[in-house]
Amino acid sequence: GQQLNQSPQSMFIQEGEDVSMNCTSSSIFNTWLWYKQEPGEGPVLLIALYKAGELTSNGRLTAQFGITRKDSFLNISASIPSDVGIYFCAAANSGNTPLVFGKGTRLSVIA
Amino acid sequence: NAGVTQTPKFQVLKTGQSMTLQCAQDMNHNSMYWYRQDPGMGLRLIYYSASEGTTDKGEVPNGYNVSRLNKREFSLRLESAAPSQTSVYFCASKFLGTVNGEQYFGPGTRLTVT
Repeated sequence: GQQLNQSPQSMFIQEGEDVSMNCTSSSIFNTWLWYKQEPGEGPVLLIALYKAGELTSNGRLTAQFGITRKDSFLNISASIPSDVGIYFCAAANSGNTPLVFGKGTRLSVIA
Repeated sequence: NAGVTQTPKFQVLKTGQSMTLQCAQDMNHNSMYWYRQDPGMGLRLIYYSASEGTTDKGEVPNGYNVSRLNKREFSLRLESAAPSQTSVYFCASKFLGTVNGEQYFGPGTRLTVT
């Protein structure tokens, strides 16, 4: 089936540093999304991207929908301790096909 | 407005026992989903219901059954639990017909099968 390759698997960064993670696929998707999961909680939607080339921000978070429609990246600027969690990319096509998820990037922020 | 709720939060079963995980949403969403999350495996779709009255298999349906009881509720049943079903289970929902994605997740049920 369709798979999303998310990297890196984990990151340890100092507070204040910028973070970048990405997600690639061999298949084309029409929608890319980024979720964050904190310990003991369900994933929460951060950013949704609907158009190839689109760049969208949500506070310190910025995500882009790749022009080829096969990738997306998420940047976090000036990281803070509450950014800790697992970040998942997800993608879907038209219709009501279910989301495909990446395996997540586990982010740790060292104060 | 509670969003997506799941019960129970935690459960321990012995091999061979059965149980039903409950999920309800109060956002008037049409579509509902059940996922399992295992370390290093991300979220894997078990079953989904695109709209009331329909259910479809996802990536890992074996050993599970589902019931879309009404528009609000979607339950997941383990008829004969196995240790391989030890996992965290998440329910999610979204509007049918909107752009894909924008699923809203519940807090999860942590299941251990011994």
